[in-house]
Amino acid sequence: NAGVTQTPKFQVLKTGQSMTLQCAQDMNHEYMSWYRQDPGMGLRLIHYSVGAGITDQGEVPNGYNVSRSTTEDFPLRLLSAAPSQTSVYFCASRSTGGSGYGYTFGSGTRLTVV
Amino acid sequence: GDSVTQMEGPVTLSEEAFLTINCTYTATGYPSLFWYVQYPGEGLQLLLKATKADDKGSNKGFEATYRKETTSFHLEKGSVQVSDSAVYFCALSDGQAGTALIFGKGTTLSVSS
Repeated sequence: NAGVTQTPKFQVLKTGQSMTLQCAQDMNHEYMSWYRQDPGMGLRLIHYSVGAGITDQGEVPNGYNVSRSTTEDFPLRLLSAAPSQTSVYFCASRSTGGSGYGYTFGSGTRLTVV
Repeated sequence: GDSVTQMEGPVTLSEEAFLTINCTYTATGYPSLFWYVQYPGEGLQLLLKATKADDKGSNKGFEATYRKETTSFHLEKGSVQVSDSAVYFCALSDGQAGTALIFGKGTTLSVSS
């Protein structure tokens, strides 16, 4: 009964380093999304996926890459970290059906780029 | 494009006070509307939702009504508790398929005893 699991919870990177934020869900949800949360900005959509093999860009995709090879996993890759990517990252998932189904969120990854 | 505007915070109340957090939206079509809550250090939890005009979502004493004529989804609670202190986000689903959520900037609520 894990829901949406994000790892790591905290990460410090140096500018230019790359890393992957992991997201896994065990609810057989088709829809998955990545958001970043910044003070005073709310949550902004980075990338989303409506099923394995299908991804699309959200509002702030630059500097991030995603793939969806399985229903369960939706990793977010930072290609070359920049201080502007310091943020809290949330992964979310929901089942298919009408738009009224709410998303389930992970507990977040707090990333600092120095 | 679609957007959500919610009242600026922080909102500071005494225990048992009445709470209103305003939320208005701009959207094409008929989105579903949500309120999420984020307690300190945690992720977001779905608080309530409404999927069509005049629907009322309710949970844990909170409620909000989907008002199409005023494009609003204001959050209310009759008597807040210290444990309600959190950040509240209004959100809408994008389009009929609802592939992702569009959030407001969040309102911080602080309740003192």
